Amino acid sequence: GQQLNQSPQSMFIQEGEDVSMNCTSSSIFNTWLWYKQEPGEGPVLLIALYKAGELTSNGRLTAQFGITRKDSFLNISASIPSDVGIYFCAGQRSSNTGKLIFGQGTTLQVKP
Amino acid sequence: NAGVTQTPKFQVLKTGQSMTLQCAQDMNHEYMSWYRQDPGMGLRLIHYSVGAGITDQGEVPNGYNVSRSTTEDFPLRLLSAAPSQTSVYFCASSPGTGRSDTQYFGPGTRLTVL
Repeated sequence: GQQLNQSPQSMFIQEGEDVSMNCTSSSIFNTWLWYKQEPGEGPVLLIALYKAGELTSNGRLTAQFGITRKDSFLNISASIPSDVGIYFCAGQRSSNTGKLIFGQGTTLQVKP
Repeated sequence: NAGVTQTPKFQVLKTGQSMTLQCAQDMNHEYMSWYRQDPGMGLRLIHYSVGAGITDQGEVPNGYNVSRSTTEDFPLRLLSAAPSQTSVYFCASSPGTGRSDTQYFGPGTRLTVL
């Protein structure tokens, strides 16, 4: 089935460092979403992107919708221990279908 | 609001047994979906619904049935459980109008099939 390629698979960084992860696809998406999942919980929406080129921030998080509509990235600045978790990108090809396609996830560990 | 609730949190089945995973939301959302999460695979869509009485298949529908008789509830049925269905199952809902892509997830059901 269709997949989003998310990288890196995992990251182990020092507290205070910046983090960057991205998601690519061979197909065009109309919506890109970034979620965070903590152990034993469901994914929680961080940022939603709806237009090519859109750059959106949520606190220390910044995400961009690629111009080609085939990619997106998420940056976390000045990481802190509570940033630990699995970050997923998700895309939707057509609007208002309720069908999301997820990347494989990036596992982030932060060393205090 | 409780948001999206799922029961049970954990379940162990034997091969061939049937069961229903429950999902309910109290946000009056039109869209509801079921996903399964396997290690290294992200979340994959099983079935989804855009309103009461309307359901459709997702990426991995085989072995699962759904129905949507009310806006609030969207149960997922395993008719004859198989070890390949061992996974974590998440239910999600979204408004269905405007920004319908912003899905809210439940806490998950961890299912083991022996």
